[in-house]
Amino acid sequence: GNSVTQMEGPVTLSEEAFLTINCTYTATGYPSLFWYVQYPGEGLQLLLKATKADDKGSNKGFEATYRKETTSFHLEKGSVQVSDSAVYFCALSPYTGANSKLTFGKGITLSVRP
Amino acid sequence: GAGVSQSPRYKVAKRGQDVALRCDPISGHVSLFWYQQALGQGPEFLTYFQNEAQLDKSGLPSDRFFAERPEGSVSTLKIQRTQQEDSAVYLCASSGKGQFFGPGTRLTVL
Repeated sequence: GNSVTQMEGPVTLSEEAFLTINCTYTATGYPSLFWYVQYPGEGLQLLLKATKADDKGSNKGFEATYRKETTSFHLEKGSVQVSDSAVYFCALSPYTGANSKLTFGKGITLSVRP
Repeated sequence: GAGVSQSPRYKVAKRGQDVALRCDPISGHVSLFWYQQALGQGPEFLTYFQNEAQLDKSGLPSDRFFAERPEGSVSTLKIQRTQQEDSAVYLCASSGKGQFFGPGTRLTVL
């Protein structure tokens, strides 16, 4: 079946540091890939997505590239801010569409200190 | 409303009690999903509706879990004879262009 593996956390960084959060997946076919973020006290929000190989999703300074050859979708940001402190989830859906259920990784907590 | 709403936000139940969790999706969204998120884990799929039809219930962990969406809008997740292992956050998402999640209901079974 489909699965998503995220690097172990938590991660603590200083403001303006470079961020990489690793995510790899197992799926048949051509899944769509997502990063969701959960800020303290809030619900899950879509951060970015990519629907086919070599696509790059980007939003709020975050980027992730869909790498089919390495089955990866690592999240990066060049300079983190304190406001980026949150829990980040990598997820996949088997296909693009409104009726496609999501498979999530365990999530990783990011704390950014001033 | 502007987003997905869920009620109650918090529920404490004694083991063996029945609970009902409500989800109000974004108006006009045909697809609705329920997920269960245990502490320290990612959400796990429970069930999916398209309008009033429950098309996938493969993630429901036991026959104590039941979901309905009788008019194709509001959905209710019911858990009968709750057990301690049912303690989790229950998330509802409705889908148009992408899935939009509600704030969740945190269920604690004592």
